[in-house]
Amino acid sequence: QAVLTQPPSASGTPGQKVTISCSGSSSNIGSNYVYWYQQLPGTAPKLLIYRNDQRPSGVPDRFSGSKSGTSASLAISGLRSEDEADYYCATWDDSLRGWVFGGGTKLTVL
Amino acid sequence: QVQLVQSGAEVKKPGASVKISCKASGYTFSTYGISWVRQAPRQGLEWMGWISTSNANTDFAQKLQGRVTMTTDTSTSTAYMELWSLRSDDTAVYYCARDSCTDGVCYIDYWGQGTLVTVAS
Repeated sequence: QAVLTQPPSASGTPGQKVTISCSGSSSNIGSNYVYWYQQLPGTAPKLLIYRNDQRPSGVPDRFSGSKSGTSASLAISGLRSEDEADYYCATWDDSLRGWVFGGGTKLTVL
Repeated sequence: QVQLVQSGAEVKKPGASVKISCKASGYTFSTYGISWVRQAPRQGLEWMGWISTSNANTDFAQKLQGRVTMTTDTSTSTAYMELWSLRSDDTAVYYCARDSCTDGVCYIDYWGQGTLVTVAS
C-alpha cells in the first residue's frame, strides 16, 4: 500500500482538462515539496513537475501542479493522445525518512 | 545530455544476490547523488535508498536495511546497487536515478532505463 493516495485511473477526451489528486499527511506532503512523474508504457519515469508547481525545461505548459495542505494535484489541459501514461506523485516523508510515492494513476485518453 | 545506462536483465534464484550497475554521463558525477527505485510487476514505485557520490554516505529504506548496499566508482562515473538474500517479491524493474539538490532540497530528476531482476527457482 502506497503512502500517498492517488486515484487508480483517470480519463478524458482530447482537448479536455484532467486533474489527478494526491493525498498524504503532515509528515510528507504537509511539510515537503511534491513532485510528479510521467511513465509512458514500457519506459522509465520522467520528471514532470518539481517543487509543487515548477516545470523542467521541455515540459509543456499544459502540465501544472499545485499543493494545498496535505494534498497536491496535477492538472493536464488540452489533453492529447500522447499523454496516455501512468502518473506518480512523490515527496519526502519526515517520519519514514525516505521518499514515498503514490500508487500511480493510469490516464486514458478516450 | 544526462544519461544513466544500467546493466542488463538478471535471473536469480531465491537466496542469491544481484548487483546492478549504473553508468552516468553528460554531467559531473560527483556533484549529484544517486537514488535507487524499484517497481514490481504492475505495481507502483518504491524508493530503496540513496548514495552520495561525493562522500559515499548512504541512506536506505527501512524495510531493506541489512539487505542492500550501494557503492560508487567515481573513476568510471558508475554507481552500484547490490541486493542480498533475494526473495520472489524482489522481482522488479530496478532504476537508478540522479538526485538534484538546490538549497538543501533534493529530488530525482533523471532516471536510468531500468534493469529487470527476476527471482525464481
